[in-house]
Amino acid sequence: EDQVTQSPEALRLQEGESSSLNCSYTVSGLRGLFWYRQDPGKGPEFLFTLYSAGEEKEKERLKATLTKKESFLHITAPKPEDSATYLCAVSGGSNYKLTFGKGTLLTVNP
Amino acid sequence: GAVVSQHPSWVICKSGTSVKIECRSLDFQATTMFWYRQFPKQSLMLMATSNEGSKATYEQGVEKDKFLINHASLTLSTLTVTSAHPEDSSFYICSARPLRTSGLLKGETQYFGPGTRLLVL
Repeated sequence: EDQVTQSPEALRLQEGESSSLNCSYTVSGLRGLFWYRQDPGKGPEFLFTLYSAGEEKEKERLKATLTKKESFLHITAPKPEDSATYLCAVSGGSNYKLTFGKGTLLTVNP
Repeated sequence: GAVVSQHPSWVICKSGTSVKIECRSLDFQATTMFWYRQFPKQSLMLMATSNEGSKATYEQGVEKDKFLINHASLTLSTLTVTSAHPEDSSFYICSARPLRTSGLLKGETQYFGPGTRLLVL
């Protein structure tokens, strides 16, 4: 059974204070690891798809990396508008179903 | 690209009535659409997977007669909550997986709608 564990559950940063979110996973035959951002009362917004260990992707202040056991979402010099819940999910095997972690609630204070 | 819409965005209904929620992929064709339910401060729970023209596959514990799913075309799926009761109140979110990888649109990725908040009185 696929499993995803995200840490920390909540993270509070000052504006400009860089940090990383962790996503540990176990999956049979990784098809993809996905990062989403979710604002309160809205659906998840797609950020990145990573396919294999060693892969990295960047978008503005965010950078996602992948190893065989975990993924990191690095946030460089965050701004208050980066405050949201960040969700990690994996898809494996022969279907395209996603297994989600519980998310990390990020709060960036001005 | 990868825009998914849901309608309505919120709905209030009386106990015993049925509610239909639409999910549309606006700028791509979706081979598969997924329906999720999310409770406050919890992650997404997959309810069912639907493929165009075939019956939906429901997750364990999800009542198929309570939550009717129709995937009539490559851009539209509907979820009908039949005889809704207060315990069905929740945030329902759909996602769509593109038929093919094209440009920035990835075939393995699910793109989510904005969600529908259902309140059953």
